[in-house]
Amino acid sequence: GAVVSQHPSWVICKSGTSVKIECRSLDFQATTMFWYRQFPKQSLMLMATSNEGSKATYEQGVEKDKFLINHASLTLSTLTVTSAHPEDSSFYICSAPDTIYGYTFGSGTRLTVV
Amino acid sequence: TQLLEQSPQFLSIQEGENLTVYCNSSSVFSSLQWYRQEPGEGPVLLVTVVTGGEVKKLKRLTFQFGDARKDSSLHITAAQPGDTGLYLCAGSTGGFKTIFGAGTRLFVKA
Repeated sequence: GAVVSQHPSWVICKSGTSVKIECRSLDFQATTMFWYRQFPKQSLMLMATSNEGSKATYEQGVEKDKFLINHASLTLSTLTVTSAHPEDSSFYICSAPDTIYGYTFGSGTRLTVV
Repeated sequence: TQLLEQSPQFLSIQEGENLTVYCNSSSVFSSLQWYRQEPGEGPVLLVTVVTGGEVKKLKRLTFQFGDARKDSSLHITAAQPGDTGLYLCAGSTGGFKTIFGAGTRLFVKA
């Protein structure tokens, strides 16, 4: 079946530094990928839609200069949290549509900013 | 603004009991998915329903899509501790964009 690989699984960084999260579709091509943020015990909040070959589309309230998205190829999208602060600590998840009806999610990245 | 209301948000039951989770919206969906998520993991797709009135079964789980494709339910029969987790419904209105319900956190006690 379709697999989406997300790395790293967890990361701890200092305030002010940047962190890059990778999302790869392993056995299928994804012209579109989605990035979500999830707070403890809450549902997924769509942050942005990553488009291969063009700019990402950000949801309202999401700072595009803070959350940089690059869809470098048909199998790779990256999310960079720039100048991270403790309030950016969260669980970040990517997903890619693998069929007309379903989406495959990465395993998530737990970011802790200290 | 499209909303997908999911209820209940939290459910704690004894092993062997039945339960139903609901997702409701004023929007019509082209398809609706149900996911289960374990702590620290990404959601895993359980089922996709597409046709109004459709019923799908996955072992002890029964999924139903409303006739008008605005609502859906997940029924678990004889719940087991292994069913514990966060259940999410997600609706697609066409294209790739999906909206998620708030999730139902299920805890099944042995």
